Amino acid sequence: QSALTQPPSASGSPGQSVTISCTGTSSDVGGYNFVSWYQQHPGKAPKLMIYEVTKRPSGVPDRFSGTKSGNTASLTVSGLQAEDEADYYCSSYADTNNLVFGGGTQLTVL
Amino acid sequence: DVQLVESGGGLVQPGGSLRLSCATSGFSFSSHWMSWLRQAPGRGLEWVATIKPDGSDKFYVDSVKGRFTISRDNAKNSLCLTMNTLRVEDTAMYYCAKDGPGWSREYWGQGTLVTVSS
Repeated sequence: QSALTQPPSASGSPGQSVTISCTGTSSDVGGYNFVSWYQQHPGKAPKLMIYEVTKRPSGVPDRFSGTKSGNTASLTVSGLQAEDEADYYCSSYADTNNLVFGGGTQLTVL
Repeated sequence: DVQLVESGGGLVQPGGSLRLSCATSGFSFSSHWMSWLRQAPGRGLEWVATIKPDGSDKFYVDSVKGRFTISRDNAKNSLCLTMNTLRVEDTAMYYCAKDGPGWSREYWGQGTLVTVSS
């Protein structure tokens, strides 16, 4: 069982927006602004999409955005494109000097 | 460009040992925290270990404490993971990662597969 809870699946049509949640506790998501999101295509290494809750690395489209409220972080993908179909994982720093992940969400573009 | 290339994976019996290596290039290795993460077949991501730039501090997930050791050679721009007393549940793709801000994992290698089986 993963430390952070994500829905196993999400879907949307091209052009639509979809939001993926990531729920933890006050010892991880709620206690620190150190939430990251990763995209992983089948057979490929994960790619960092969001760090420190809301920040995008260089090269990540601004269609990807992150937020946090209390113990729940969220990733929103706007203007869905076919290439967004992938698995998405959240992670958070956790007490003490630990990194925890969610179980992953399979995003399907209909 | 940042490059991370893992090696050393393979088939090992339960109780055995294995040493993974990660050759890096394209960034100032000695200035960055580095990590190992893993992904069991068909499962999610799991953080394994992290090491500070000068190697002075190391952090591990509870399930590998006392069995795995992360180390680095800043002169050779390389990261290692020595795995002892391997268990079937250690079977996974092991990724080397360059750490980024806020405990993010900024860049990942392509991984090396470790299979623990009799």
